[in-house]
Amino acid sequence: AQSVTQLDSQVPVFEEAPVELRCNYSSSVSVYLFWYVQYPNQGLQLLLKYLSGSTLVESINGFEAEFNKSQTSFHLRKPSVHISDTAEYFCAVSWGGSQGNLIFGKGTKLSVKP
Amino acid sequence: NAGVTQTPKFQVLKTGQSMTLQCAQDMNHEYMSWYRQDPGMGLRLIHYSVGAGITDQGEVPNGYNVSRSTTEDFPLRLLSAAPSQTSVYFCASSRTGESGYTFGSGTRLTVV
Repeated sequence: AQSVTQLDSQVPVFEEAPVELRCNYSSSVSVYLFWYVQYPNQGLQLLLKYLSGSTLVESINGFEAEFNKSQTSFHLRKPSVHISDTAEYFCAVSWGGSQGNLIFGKGTKLSVKP
Repeated sequence: NAGVTQTPKFQVLKTGQSMTLQCAQDMNHEYMSWYRQDPGMGLRLIHYSVGAGITDQGEVPNGYNVSRSTTEDFPLRLLSAAPSQTSVYFCASSRTGESGYTFGSGTRLTVV
């Protein structure tokens, strides 16, 4: 079965420091890649996605992720985090194009400290 | 435009009881899915649908049934609730597989 691995369950960082949240998946055959964010006691919100084309994708709030086909990775980065970025981040993958079965990783809790 | 609406928000069931979690979307999305979220487990796909009349099993389908008679609604049925089904359930919808899902606010279910 296809799988999504988020290598860190918790990432504590200080405000204004850079951060990388790691995501690997089991196969690079025709994948769509997503990052979602969940703030406390809320549902999930789409942060960014990769479908095709440029391997670097960006969100409106300063996050970016890079698709690396050879390493089957889609790591999320931000050069300078804010307190408001404290949340849980989920990587998700859909294999075989638009099949509807979006599989999530177990999540990474980002805690930004002052 | 309400987005994805889930009802109820909270529910307590006794072991063996049945119930239906409701999910409705008003965005004319073809794709709809049900996930459960448990601490340390992320979101696990229960069932999904790519259009009215079409459903398929996800990662953890046992103990759950779904149907998709209309584009708007995608109810999740628990036929005989078990404590292992205590979880937060999220419904999500998407225009296509490329669009990214819009999530509802969740249903917190406790089975005692």
